[in-house]
Amino acid sequence: EAGVTQSPTHLIKTRGQQATLRCSPISGHTSVYWYQQALGLGLQFLLWYDEGEERNRGNFPPRFSGRQFPNYSSELNVNALELEDSALYLCASSLEGSYEQFFGPGTRLTVL
Amino acid sequence: SQQGEEDPQALSIQEGENATMNCSYKTSINNLQWYRQNSGRGLVHLILIRSNEREKHSGRLRVTLDTSKKSSSLLITASRAADTASYFCATDDLDSNYQLIWGAGTKLIIKP
Repeated sequence: EAGVTQSPTHLIKTRGQQATLRCSPISGHTSVYWYQQALGLGLQFLLWYDEGEERNRGNFPPRFSGRQFPNYSSELNVNALELEDSALYLCASSLEGSYEQFFGPGTRLTVL
Repeated sequence: SQQGEEDPQALSIQEGENATMNCSYKTSINNLQWYRQNSGRGLVHLILIRSNEREKHSGRLRVTLDTSKKSSSLLITASRAADTASYFCATDDLDSNYQLIWGAGTKLIIKP
């Protein structure tokens, strides 16, 4: 069974640009979660999608947005990039009704 | 917001010794999970313990949960170099459905 996949692996942008990160959940998983992890720190919750709807978002500005497609894959968009947006962005998926989350390898975003 | 707080922040032990990490949380929960993250990569689920359970084992892992103290511990016995990683606890929030609340993690280093 294929795990959660994320693309790209690395992304280098300059301040003010936009970044788009993609995530494909495990087949059959309907929930997708996005997290930001700055270097050496814990996970900060960004967004939760389930069945195509945004269920909750963390304490991040509106320039962080996303969506979930009918095939349950998801996209995270970060507009007007700032230097402090440099981090590892992790996507996780879960089955409906399950607390266990399965993580992808992450996208390392560097903002110069 | 971060609910779980791991203790210690970092732990360095010799290979073969036991490693104990602790997690404290603030609200009532349905369950508590432990995850491992190898350097700069995605997280891997280790074990889930339900609020009505006090102890759970999985291979060399032993997890305890004390809901009266709102705390959990993760014991890794007979540590190996491959156990070097960061360990995170995650709890659900009864008000947040299946969204998890994460601690800041314990960085474990196993010296050969």
